[in-house]
Amino acid sequence: GAVVSQHPSWVICKSGTSVKIECRSLDFQATTMFWYRQFPKQSLMLMATSNEGSKATYEQGVEKDKFLINHASLTLSTLTVTSAHPEDSSFYICSAMNRDSPSGEQYFGPGTRLTVT
Amino acid sequence: QKEVEQDPGPLSVPEGAIVSLNCTYSNSAFQYFMWYRQYSRKGPELLMYTYSSGNKEDGRFTAQVDKSSKYISLFIRDSQPSDSATYLCAMRPGAQKLVFGQGTRLTINP
Repeated sequence: GAVVSQHPSWVICKSGTSVKIECRSLDFQATTMFWYRQFPKQSLMLMATSNEGSKATYEQGVEKDKFLINHASLTLSTLTVTSAHPEDSSFYICSAMNRDSPSGEQYFGPGTRLTVT
Repeated sequence: QKEVEQDPGPLSVPEGAIVSLNCTYSNSAFQYFMWYRQYSRKGPELLMYTYSSGNKEDGRFTAQVDKSSKYISLFIRDSQPSDSATYLCAMRPGAQKLVFGQGTRLTINP
């Protein structure tokens, strides 16, 4: 149980284009999902918290107009990187919090490697 | 000063050794403590979860939380080459966002 999937697992795009990454909780419902970014040999950096049916909460320094987050259902959140640039190349990871778990464990997806050329 | 401090390593031990990984923290409001394992180019995998102080054991893994010292540990017994990964400690006060340590890179040598 507690499986989170991400799609695509990797993507290469040209500078100036937009890329959408999907995060799905496969066997549980998640009222809250989180989006992280990770650079090589560094820890995870929280970008935003996504709650189903409401606007995402972005961390300081994260451009909300550049990283669009939509949490349309209890099992799906999407991150769209708009007008991508090479500096946006990174490993993007989502996590989901099980709504039915009183302790609220977070389960992570496998990550999406974005390369902007 | 970071809220959560974790030695990034790298840590290299022979197969079969007992591994001790540690994190210290400064926020006394933290109540939920987790250890994640992350293989290269993969998402973190939840290994251990502990609420408040105490010990928790799961197979070869033991997690300890000492809230009085603001110190948490993960022990790996009979370490295997497949345990080679980055181990991240994480914690949070309540139903809030996780705060991660930097991660410790561990290599188990056959």
